[in-house]
Amino acid sequence: GNSVTQMEGPVTLSEEAFLTINCTYTATGYPSLFWYVQYPGEGLQLLLKATKADDKGSNKGFEATYRKETTSFHLEKGSVQVSDSAVYFCALRNGQNFVFGPGTRLSVLP
Amino acid sequence: DSGVTQTPKHLITATGQRVTLRCSPRSGDLSVYWYQQSLDQGLQFLIQYYNGEERAKGNILERFSAQQFPDLHSELNLSSLELGDSALYFCASSPFISNYGYTFGSGTRLTVV
Repeated sequence: GNSVTQMEGPVTLSEEAFLTINCTYTATGYPSLFWYVQYPGEGLQLLLKATKADDKGSNKGFEATYRKETTSFHLEKGSVQVSDSAVYFCALRNGQNFVFGPGTRLSVLP
Repeated sequence: DSGVTQTPKHLITATGQRVTLRCSPRSGDLSVYWYQQSLDQGLQFLIQYYNGEERAKGNILERFSAQQFPDLHSELNLSSLELGDSALYFCASSPFISNYGYTFGSGTRLTVV
């Protein structure tokens, strides 16, 4: 079946630190991969996506590369800001099957 | 504004009552999905509709039901409410294309007292 595993949070960083949130997946075939972000009190917003192996998704300074050989889609940002504090969800879509990871809470301190 | 509209934003009701949550999908999207988000269980998929027909069911209780109307808006009905039903309920929509993500509404926060 399809599944997504994320590193457990919470993750607490100082402003301007480097961020990595690990995500690995299990799927048959060739899923599309996504990162969603949920700011406090809001719904989920699509942050970035990649639809095939070696694709790199990027947005707002965040990046993730679709690694089929390691079945991973780790989220990275070179310098986090306080405004990046949120919950981050890794997800995959395989046909009509959409699976979310459990979410990783990020807190960035000034 | 994501283009997915959910109403109401907040709802407070008593145990045993029945409520209806409404969702209007993004223009052109035929698929609608309902999710429940509670503090201790993350995002739980409830049900999916495509162009008026039920397509997939997740962890949806028998006390809950949903439908999608000809104009593509959807309603989630929650009955015989219990304290444990307190949660955020999200609607999402998507085109029927496999490499597209979902677009989420801002959610309805349900509090059962």
